[in-house]
Parts: sequence; structure tokens; C-alpha cells
Amino acid sequence: EVQLLESGGGLVQPGGSLRLSCAASGFTFSTYAMSWVRQAPGKGLEWVSAISGSGANTYYADSVKGRFTISRDISKNTLYLQMNSLRVEDTAVYYCAKAHSSGFFHYWGQGTLVTVSS
Amino acid sequence: DIQMTQSPSSLSASVGDRVTITCRASQGISNSLAWYQQKPGKVPKLLLYAASRLESGVPSRFSGSGSGTDYTLTISSLQPEDFATYYCQQYYTTPWTFGQGTKVEIK
Repeated sequence: EVQLLESGGGLVQPGGSLRLSCAASGFTFSTYAMSWVRQAPGKGLEWVSAISGSGANTYYADSVKGRFTISRDISKNTLYLQMNSLRVEDTAVYYCAKAHSSGFFHYWGQGTLVTVSS
Repeated sequence: DIQMTQSPSSLSASVGDRVTITCRASQGISNSLAWYQQKPGKVPKLLLYAASRLESGVPSRFSGSGSGTDYTLTISSLQPEDFATYYCQQYYTTPWTFGQGTKVEIK
């Protein structure tokens, strides 16, 4: 059974940093691309970033490019999102998602809430 | 970036109704379209991909169609558990983008 468990969310001040983690199990982690998708309170879904199975290729939404960094540790079956220079508008539930090679999302974690506020 | 526009933004329907939701892309996406269902406080769930392929375990009352820029999600006979918000997503090219969502409410 595929399981994705996010952690690392919390309250941070504007301009601050936070690192999210997603522990994966139930599948061969290195075989699949992974993504982060976020959802601001009461709003729709927004794709944030993706990383290839090997970690060699990364992709970002324009809204986070240059501020967020996605990475993965295959030895730990863990996906990361390093978030720097956080803004109020980054407040959202961040979901870790297992991506099909084409780019849609088969499985989602339960999400972790990031609140950026002074 | 490819913009995805869903219509309607919300609808009210009764159990047993046939419901259709439309998703329009700002450029052709070659059937690289997925549909998700999200219930309040829950995680999104994949329903269909490649515009019309049903994800394993999803009831057959859900179907998808379309081509080019225009796609539809149809629920043939709405059930009580189908009241939720539905999102389309294009994965033709990054940045992958979602529609704004369609909330299906009880009439």
C-alpha cells in the first residue's frame, strides 16, 4: 500500500524558511517522479514543484521559482521541499504526491499546513 | 502557461441526476487531462486520466471525454457520496495547471 506522510509544516514569519518532508513507502521510491501541490485555505489546487525519479530533473511553478528547492533522498525514501523567503501568499496545505510519468497524481499524502504570518 | 477554465464554478443537483462539468484549456493539450474529486477536509482523489481512462476502483458512473482544448467529466447518476469539488488538471506541459474547481452541491 502506497503511503505518503508529510511533516515540517508550521507557523513562520514572512521572509522565513521552512523545510517540508514526505516519507514514502509501499513502492519503489526511485522509480517515480514526485511532486508538491498546495492548496490555500478555501482555494483550489496549485502545482508547486516536481522532481524526476533519479532526482536529476526538477521543475517549479513560476510563483516559487528561485525561492523553493525540491529534492529527494532515495536512501531514506524521503521527498523534501526547502522553502525560503516565504510570503503570506505561500500559506497553504502542502501535499506530497506520487506522480505518474506523464504528470498526473495517483496518490496524495494527507498534507501539512504552512502558515506565513507575522 | 496553459490556463484551465472549468464551468460551472458550482452547481446544485439531485441524487440520480446526470451531471456534466466542462474544462477548457487555453491551448491544445492532446488528451493530457486528469480529473480529481475532493471532499471537504479530505485529500484529492484521482478519478480519470488521459481524458477518459478511469482510475482503478472508481465507479463506472464517472466518465470523461473531449479532445483538443475542450473536455468534460460526466457523472451519469449522481450519488450521495459524489457531492464534492471536482478539479481538472493538464499535464501536457509544465507548469502543470489545475482548473479552479467545480463544487457539486445537493439540491
